Amino acid sequence: DTEVTQTPKHLVMGMTNKKSLKCEQHMGHRAMYWYKQKAKKPPELMFVYSYEKLSINESVPSRFSPECPNSSLLNLHLHALQPEDSALYLCASRHGGGPYNEQFFGPGTRLTVL
Amino acid sequence: KQEVTQIPAALSVPEGENLVLNCSFTDSAIYNLQWFRQDPGKGLTSLLLIQSSQREQTSGRLNASLDKSSGRSTLYIAASQPGDSATYLCAVRPLFLHEKLTFGTGTRLTIIP
Repeated sequence: DTEVTQTPKHLVMGMTNKKSLKCEQHMGHRAMYWYKQKAKKPPELMFVYSYEKLSINESVPSRFSPECPNSSLLNLHLHALQPEDSALYLCASRHGGGPYNEQFFGPGTRLTVL
Repeated sequence: KQEVTQIPAALSVPEGENLVLNCSFTDSAIYNLQWFRQDPGKGLTSLLLIQSSQREQTSGRLNASLDKSSGRSTLYIAASQPGDSATYLCAVRPLFLHEKLTFGTGTRLTIIP
């Protein structure tokens, strides 16, 4: 099973709302990622968790708050977003402990901020 | 700074033809290179991972090659089908800060029935 799942598939929120994106994998992977992708552009890395600890934050605004409650689950909490934050948010995972392993992506959450 | 380029940005070919997609990178200090496909509005599907010590990897009708010294990789698709229509992205994993994949700009492939 090489599946990364993400919920919800689509999310529409106002600029004052608080919402969360969820990502799950049951492959025993210990590295998990959040990416943001705008139309016709490659994914941009936002956060990396390695063994449930935040290892990389790519200077993402604080209105995005990641959380890794356990080794299978990754959340992205959203608050006071801007319309320019509308994008496809992708979660990915990889077997931790070294650089040689394949990275797998989820289907994404399409976020629209009104 | 690593830069990854994919040319052409878009490609249309008739069904049944063999085709090659190109990926160039500026820094050869990489662990590996991964090819993905992405359907519109969807996530990325991993196609092939090729380690820096390897020259080729094959999966079904797909064959990826890697020439690290010249900073080039190709993805060969044999006997193309309409279902192969998608955007293809290559990504390199650098030796330094290996958690940060660097993606190419992508090639949008259309197979004409």
